[in-house]
Amino acid sequence: ILNVEQSPQSLHVQEGDSTNFTCSFPSSNFYALHWYRWETAKSPEALFVMTLNGDEKKKGRISATLNTKEGYSYLYIKGSQPEDSATYLCAFISTGGFKTIFGAGTRLFVKA
Amino acid sequence: GAVVSQHPSWVICKSGTSVKIECRSLDFQATTMFWYRQFPKQSLMLMATSNEGSKATYEQGVEKDKFLINHASLTLSTLTVTSAHPEDSSFYICSARDRGAAGELFFGEGSRLTVL
Repeated sequence: ILNVEQSPQSLHVQEGDSTNFTCSFPSSNFYALHWYRWETAKSPEALFVMTLNGDEKKKGRISATLNTKEGYSYLYIKGSQPEDSATYLCAFISTGGFKTIFGAGTRLFVKA
Repeated sequence: GAVVSQHPSWVICKSGTSVKIECRSLDFQATTMFWYRQFPKQSLMLMATSNEGSKATYEQGVEKDKFLINHASLTLSTLTVTSAHPEDSSFYICSARDRGAAGELFFGEGSRLTVL
């Protein structure tokens, strides 16, 4: 059974704080890892698609790293803003049938 | 990016009735769409993979006679919850890729089903 774990489950920060979340996934049969942002009442939207060990990707104040050998990815948000409040999902895609397995998400609350 | 539209967003039905949820890719053709269910505070659980022109592939533990999936065109997949019961109340969401096995998923808005 493929298991994808995200921590923490939720996080409350003040505006301006930097924060990071963890996604743990199986270190075998790796094909790709995705990060999604899911705002309330909207559809999840992709932040990053990561395929190579050591990948580092950045979009504005948000960045992500990938370690496929040890099975983890970090998502960083620098200088959190209230509009960053959302659930952040990671999704592991395995080579076996290219199934996408989601973590339960990290719910971020940024207080102004 | 590509757009996927899902509706209805909310549906309330009586126990024993059937409910159909539609998932449309608006600006691309999706040979494969995915249906997920989410229980409170849990992850999105893949229910089935919908394949255009052929039978859906169901995940272990998902009753194919209860959750009927039809993918009759390259832009539309439907999920029908048959003879719904209160335990079927949940959040259902669809997604599709517009390219490649590693490509990002584009999601519908989701449908909240409440069975009375």
